[in-house]
Amino acid sequence: GAVVSQHPSWVICKSGTSVKIECRSLDFQATTMFWYRQFPKQSLMLMATSNEGSKATYEQGVEKDKFLINHASLTLSTLTVTSAHPEDSSFYICSAGKGTDTQYFGPGTRLTVL
Amino acid sequence: GQSLEQPSEVTAVEGAIVQINCTYQTSGFYGLSWYQQHDGGAPTFLSYNGLDGLEETGRFSSFLSRSDSYGYLLLQELQMKDSASYFCAVRGWEGSQGNLIFGKGTKLSVKP
Repeated sequence: GAVVSQHPSWVICKSGTSVKIECRSLDFQATTMFWYRQFPKQSLMLMATSNEGSKATYEQGVEKDKFLINHASLTLSTLTVTSAHPEDSSFYICSAGKGTDTQYFGPGTRLTVL
Repeated sequence: GQSLEQPSEVTAVEGAIVQINCTYQTSGFYGLSWYQQHDGGAPTFLSYNGLDGLEETGRFSSFLSRSDSYGYLLLQELQMKDSASYFCAVRGWEGSQGNLIFGKGTKLSVKP
């Protein structure tokens, strides 16, 4: 199979705090992982491409200093939302590619900022 | 710009067949994928078309015509559990390392 996990599955935090979300590929190695954000009843929007051993590539309009991405190993990428605000409340989903066919998504992390 | 167009909502009854169309306009094209997402869940992979033609996986089939920049997902013998949002997605780069560009999704409601 191709299993991607995320932790935590949900998190509630106070405004101004930072939150770290982990994404792991459990049974395969992924040199590239992707981070998406999805607001209610909307589609998935790519935030950044996480590259193992190098800096992440951010999509236009995504603040790299606010959404810190670290791809520490071939099986782990982390997204840290710094100084979170209520407008950052969203569903954050990571994905990783395996082989040449498609990407597999983690179960997502629901972030609520109070 | 890059865009994928699909209907926003579709309603069908149990046992019926439904087709969800997707047209795309992207700078690069390396395959069309379909994902299913239930409310509150993450997308799950359904099918992938890299070449023209029909791919069949159980009750689900997907079709691609690259010359028409068009594809569809066909769901047969609909079940209540098929009620979900369905997204088409284009891979703009070769290989699974390329990011996916998603359509806005089609919300399928299956009625008894």
